[in-house]
Amino acid sequence: DIQMTQSPSTLSASVGDRVTITCRASQSISSWLAWYQQKPGKAPKVLIYKASSLESGVPSRFSGSGSGTEFTLTISSLQPDDFATYYCQQYNTYPYSFGQGTKLEIK
Amino acid sequence: EVQLLESGGGFVQPGGSLRLSCAASGFTFSNYGMTWVRQAPGKGLEWVSTISASGGSTFFADSVRGRFTISRDNSKNTLYLQMNSLRAEDTAVYFCARDLTGPTAYFGFSGQGTLVTVSS
Repeated sequence: DIQMTQSPSTLSASVGDRVTITCRASQSISSWLAWYQQKPGKAPKVLIYKASSLESGVPSRFSGSGSGTEFTLTISSLQPDDFATYYCQQYNTYPYSFGQGTKLEIK
Repeated sequence: EVQLLESGGGFVQPGGSLRLSCAASGFTFSNYGMTWVRQAPGKGLEWVSTISASGGSTFFADSVRGRFTISRDNSKNTLYLQMNSLRAEDTAVYFCARDLTGPTAYFGFSGQGTLVTVSS
């Protein structure tokens, strides 16, 4: 099974900051990686698919990069609505797996 | 507008059973694989099970294989998760999701999920 590891687990930042979250896979997953945003009490929302493709309707301040085993999600200029928990998910093979999450907090 | 409405959660004792439903609307249900993802209280997301668009292929996490069954009724635009031999560690909010690609997928969520609590 493929293990997904995110870092950091918690990130404190301010509005306007540029932030980067990293996701590492235990084996190569090519570019079959998605990023989700989740707010308390809500369902996750997909932001990025195939490592770097922006889902329709998602603001362009979100971007993804990477391939193989190392991936990043970058938010270029944090907005108040961006404070949430972020998850990566590999869909290269079954069983699908998620990272443990990165909680983005207001500094 | 795509809508996924989960229902059927509740309180059940260990060893008990529960059937979750997910009513879909706003898209051609029979064209999409569907998935269940769960989230234990205060924890991260865990993939549970996926069923193909036709229902002919199913996939399960090791943690639920042999205890959970996924099915769908394309005539009713509804996805199901039959959960048997429930354990305390199955306590979670269960979300249904639409597979946005194939044959392997990332997911589109819509509903609020349904809470399953397994406790004596």
